[in-house]
Amino acid sequence: QVQLQQSGAELTKPGSSVKISCKASGYTFTSYDISWIKQRPGQALEWIGAINPGSGGTGYNEKFKGKATLTVDKSSSTAFMQLSSLTPEDTAVYYCARDYSVFDYWGQGVMVTVSS
Amino acid sequence: DIQMTQSPASLSASLGETVTIQCQASEDIYSGLAWYQQKPGKSPQLLIYGASSLQDGVPSRFSGSGSGTQYSLKISSMQTEDEGVYFCQQGLKYPRTFGGGTKLELK
Repeated sequence: QVQLQQSGAELTKPGSSVKISCKASGYTFTSYDISWIKQRPGQALEWIGAINPGSGGTGYNEKFKGKATLTVDKSSSTAFMQLSSLTPEDTAVYYCARDYSVFDYWGQGVMVTVSS
Repeated sequence: DIQMTQSPASLSASLGETVTIQCQASEDIYSGLAWYQQKPGKSPQLLIYGASSLQDGVPSRFSGSGSGTQYSLKISSMQTEDEGVYFCQQGLKYPRTFGGGTKLELK
């Protein structure tokens, strides 16, 4: 069965960076894009960007350019998102999701807390 | 960016009641619309794609309709397990955008 397993919660300080992972299983990793989605507590969902695991090509929401960097490791079927120059406004749950214009499978989410 | 506006922001329904949630896009999205359900502490779950196609495993009391800029999600008979927050999402253009969500509670 299709699964997206994300890394654990992160507690980090303002100005730092964090890299979270999303390991895919149960399907051909290179056949679908992986998107990353942000959800602040009690808020709606924001699309950060997507990566094509086959080509490594990426697309970003303008709002997150310079904030998020998406990469993949095809050998381990894992997608990564690095968030840089963290501020308290980056405190949120971050989801990865399999993307074919809709998101049919989601990871369990990673809570990133930015606090001094 | 395509703006997605959902209404109402919240509602409560009795067991067996029919529930309808609306989603309006800021431009024609040619049925490139999905609906998701999210329960507290959980990831969103895909319910409907292509405006009206039911995702595998989703109960048939859920249905989607609409075209152009106006779409709706209907729950034909409210059940306890249908409580949660519902989001619409357009998949026509980048960036993908979501509605603000509708919180559905059991009355």
